[in-house]
Formats: sequence, structure tokens, C-alpha cells
Amino acid sequence: GAGVSQSPRYKVAKRGQDVALRCDPISGHVSLFWYQQALGQGPEFLTYFQNEAQLDKSGLPSDRFFAERPEGSVSTLKIQRTQQEDSAVYLCASRRRSSGGNQETQYFGPGTRLLVL
Amino acid sequence: GENVEQHPSTLSVQEGDSAVIKCTYSDSASNYFPWYKQELGKRPQLIIDIRSNVGEKKDQRIAVTLNKTAKHFSLHITETQPEDSAVYFCAASRSQFYFGTGTSLTVIP
Repeated sequence: GAGVSQSPRYKVAKRGQDVALRCDPISGHVSLFWYQQALGQGPEFLTYFQNEAQLDKSGLPSDRFFAERPEGSVSTLKIQRTQQEDSAVYLCASRRRSSGGNQETQYFGPGTRLLVL
Repeated sequence: GENVEQHPSTLSVQEGDSAVIKCTYSDSASNYFPWYKQELGKRPQLIIDIRSNVGEKKDQRIAVTLNKTAKHFSLHITETQPEDSAVYFCAASRSQFYFGTGTSLTVIP
């Protein structure tokens, strides 16, 4: 079946520009995660949704970052007034069930590579 | 929050030798520990995982061990092949996932 998809795959933005990154999770997956991956680093947790509820946004680096998942499926990560330090790969992942005693893996999308000039 | 440390950051082995990557975590409530392989420019792919009620799991040439008391877990790859060359990430999870900084594995033919 279809995996997690993300668009655009590449985005070049001028400093100060707003960007919106889209994630289409695997159909029926309850949980959705956003990560930021800098070059040579591991994915850093940004935020987590269970259906349409944003349960944890503790990883968002500043109030310029905003994420939503209004209907519990597609999610958008928005970055306002982009800065050069925002340049990274933004990964989305989805998981079939919500958190609980029986953990399951998450499946990653291909990522959006953002370059802020 | 959770803090995951991973060692070594780079590892080179001869083809056919074994490779071991180690991770430690800080949150005793973490109960799920996946390992991901990421090739250059690609998405992380799950290669093996272990839950906190299990001490060891094996899948062909790959095995993972977990020591809950010491809060560390390890990835073992035996009979390494050139196609095993990639960056490997460990992660610890209770609800969201926290990743190590990665190990760049090079298998020399």
C-alpha cells in the first residue's frame, strides 16, 4: 500500500519567507510525528498528533513553527519568517495506533529538504 | 525529557566481520527501542526493534539486546556486507521517539 508521502520534496526559501510543508500519513494511522533532521544528526522530535489533537509540541524550536492536523489525516508544518538555521530535512512519520503499552514502529516519509538563503 | 546517547559515531569494519553499536537512554519509562538504517538522501527505515519486556531479539544477521537495569541497548550485525554501509540510529520511546546521533557504518570489501 501507499506509504507516508511529503511535499514538496525540496524547498528553497528566502530568509523571512513563510513556508508550509505537507505530510500525508498512511491511511488509518492515528499518530503523526514531525521531526527536524540537521545534516549529520539524528531526527529531532518537533511535535506529535493523535488524530487531530496535538498532544505534544515541546520540540518546536520557536513560536515561528506551527503544526496542524485539522481532520486527523493530512498534516501541515508551517514555518513563519524563515531563518537560515531552519535549513534542514523535515521528516514526517505515522504510526497505526496511539501510544500505549504495546509500542509499534513509525513509518517515515521521504522528507522535505528546506534550504533558507 | 529523554536523552539518548549513541556510540561510536563512526565505525569501519572489514566485510564479514561483526559491527556493534551501543546506545544509552535516561528515561526509565521508555519501553520501545527501534533501530533505523538511513542511506544517504533517503528516509530512515526500521531494521529491528525490541520492547522492554524482552532482553534480546534476532533477525537473521541482525540482533538487538536490551539491559533495562543499566538503561542500554545494542545493535549487533554479523557477517557484514558492503550494502550494510549506512547511518544507523537508535531510538527510545514511551509515546514520542527520541533518537541517538547516529553511527556511520562503513563495510570495507
